[in-house]
Amino acid sequence: GDSVTQMEGPVTLSEEAFLTINCTYTATGYPSLFWYVQYPGEGLQLLLKATKADDKGSNKGFEATYRKETTSFHLEKGSVQVSDSAVYFCALSDGGKLIFGQGTELSVKP
Amino acid sequence: EADIYQTPRYLVIGTGKKITLECSQTMGHDKMYWYQQDPGMELHLIHYSYGVNSTEKGDLSSESTVSRIRTEHFPLTLESARPSHTSQYLCASSEYYDYGTQYFGPGTRLTVL
Repeated sequence: GDSVTQMEGPVTLSEEAFLTINCTYTATGYPSLFWYVQYPGEGLQLLLKATKADDKGSNKGFEATYRKETTSFHLEKGSVQVSDSAVYFCALSDGGKLIFGQGTELSVKP
Repeated sequence: EADIYQTPRYLVIGTGKKITLECSQTMGHDKMYWYQQDPGMELHLIHYSYGVNSTEKGDLSSESTVSRIRTEHFPLTLESARPSHTSQYLCASSEYYDYGTQYFGPGTRLTVL
């Protein structure tokens, strides 16, 4: 079945560092791809999405490009802030449901 | 502003008790979901609903049950709680065709002693 694999965490960065969180997927069709973020003590919220190959989703300085040839949707941010500390989930759409990766915890130190 | 509410936020109960976790949304969304989030953060879909009187089991087998009598309300019930049910439970909702854009509640952290 369809699946999502994320890089292992936790990831620890200094403020203003460049962030990449890797996400690869396996799918039989042409899913939409998503990044969700979960701040401490809260539920998830949608960060960005891309619905077809070569689309770039962006929000709050975060970006991810839907790469069909490498089946990837890596999350990037040029300069992270302490407030970006959270758990990030990559997900794909599958027949009316979302399939989530295992989550990557990001900790940004001042 | 998305409005989806879960109560209680935290619950500690003894083994064998019956509990109901409440979830309500004010957005008029047709689809609603329950996820179980384990300590390692991974999310597992345990129930979902397409609308009133519709309930489906998710990818992870669960001893809980759900009901959908009103569009805005999607409670989850455990008839007899066990320590293995200790987890974080997240409720979410979405529009019918835009199911990738889900709005999550803050979660209920359940501890069964």
